[in-house]
Amino acid sequence: DVKVTQSSRYLVKRTGEKVFLECVQDMDHENMFWYRQDPGLGLRLIYFSYDVKMKEKGDIPEGYSVSREKKERFSLILESASTNQTSMYLCASSRLRSEQYFGPGTRLTVT
Amino acid sequence: QKEVEQNSGPLSVPEGAIASLNCTYSDRVSQSFFWYRQYSGKSPELIMSIYSNGDKEDGRFTAQLNKASQYVSLLIRDSQPSDSATYLCAVNNYGGATNKLIFGTGTLLAVQP
Repeated sequence: DVKVTQSSRYLVKRTGEKVFLECVQDMDHENMFWYRQDPGLGLRLIYFSYDVKMKEKGDIPEGYSVSREKKERFSLILESASTNQTSMYLCASSRLRSEQYFGPGTRLTVT
Repeated sequence: QKEVEQNSGPLSVPEGAIASLNCTYSDRVSQSFFWYRQYSGKSPELIMSIYSNGDKEDGRFTAQLNKASQYVSLLIRDSQPSDSATYLCAVNNYGGATNKLIFGTGTLLAVQP
């Protein structure tokens, strides 16, 4: 079974804090993705990575950065959290040209 | 026009009936198609993938693909209250070295006991 884990299920941070969200997959997948999901807006891609140290911007990268130092781990960084970044954050991984598997999600609240 | 369109619902069906969920996509070069189920407060779970025209069956689920009409559907036979969830359609055209998926906004299915 594919397993994608995320560091926290629920997180509460203050405006201006630096926030790290971590994602780990155990299936040696090449591709990893970060999405956010908001009511009425669906899943929106923030960043993705197709190899170690490689990354590409998704549809809404502003205010976020990512790091992929090891194949199994993909981190999302909010440099200075803002209230409009309150959301459900979902990590996914996949083999090249294959279906994506999602982690359990992190519900982030920025106050 | 949105790249992947789904009726947001809610689609309400009685227990035991067939639920039919529909999805249209705009990019003719799309090559693979996926259905995800998402329970409230949970993450999406892959339930079906389909790559060629026709039907693909897996238990109570059947995915149907018609590339000429740019249409993919999911049928759920003998619907159960536990099938109540949001169903996301996702489409991939294998652009570049990655497989970015384009998601619809989902259809909320409510199965009435």
